[in-house]
Amino acid sequence: GAGVSQTPSNKVTEKGKYVELRCDPISGHTALYWYRQSLGQGPEFLIYFQGTGAADDSGLPNDRFFAVRPEGSVSTLKIQRTERGDSAVYLCASSRDNTEAFFGQGTRLTVV
Amino acid sequence: AQSVTQPDIHITVSEGASLELRCNYSYGATPYLFWYVQSPGQGLQLLLKYFSGDTLVQGIKGFEAEFKRSQSSFNLRKPSVHWSDAAEYFCAVGASGTGRRALTFGSGTRLQVQP
Repeated sequence: GAGVSQTPSNKVTEKGKYVELRCDPISGHTALYWYRQSLGQGPEFLIYFQGTGAADDSGLPNDRFFAVRPEGSVSTLKIQRTERGDSAVYLCASSRDNTEAFFGQGTRLTVV
Repeated sequence: AQSVTQPDIHITVSEGASLELRCNYSYGATPYLFWYVQSPGQGLQLLLKYFSGDTLVQGIKGFEAEFKRSQSSFNLRKPSVHWSDAAEYFCAVGASGTGRRALTFGSGTRLQVQP
């Protein structure tokens, strides 16, 4: 596609449930990033993929968060045992050369 | 560790007036610097970036920014603001060379434009 695509655009889930958020990057972009943006804040880094491997996962807040990118394209962010504090907009970005990142429109996650 | 400070949470300007949004960063070497804009319900759009060379950088929509190493600043400017510029603006820093690739963002400045 022309840009970074994230699905779903909105997700409401109950506390304790498992969720998956999908990111489809720009074709040919080898670098992929996940960020989390809480209300009134700037995006915070979660994890960075170069190809299929997680090159930097230092931003993941705890072991309930996990992300994969098995074929070096689409990535899925997985959150287990969701908590109300996980409510935020989850942004995905991709980059061809790690200089300019292109962002998707995000998935708004609400945990009730 | 790198960090970004945007001292102004909210700024209001009149349409046609000039604009300057402040950004200060902390980084051990020469950073990569970015300004992004985010409209309500939208993703982040890159306005401009600085990697090296000329310290005055031109971007889209008539924006420019100046890298001042001595002040660790990268302020965003526009000579004449349009109503459509109302949005949230984020400054970000990234590592140059082989440093960490992810961006560190400031907390943003919300711009309101009065008619």
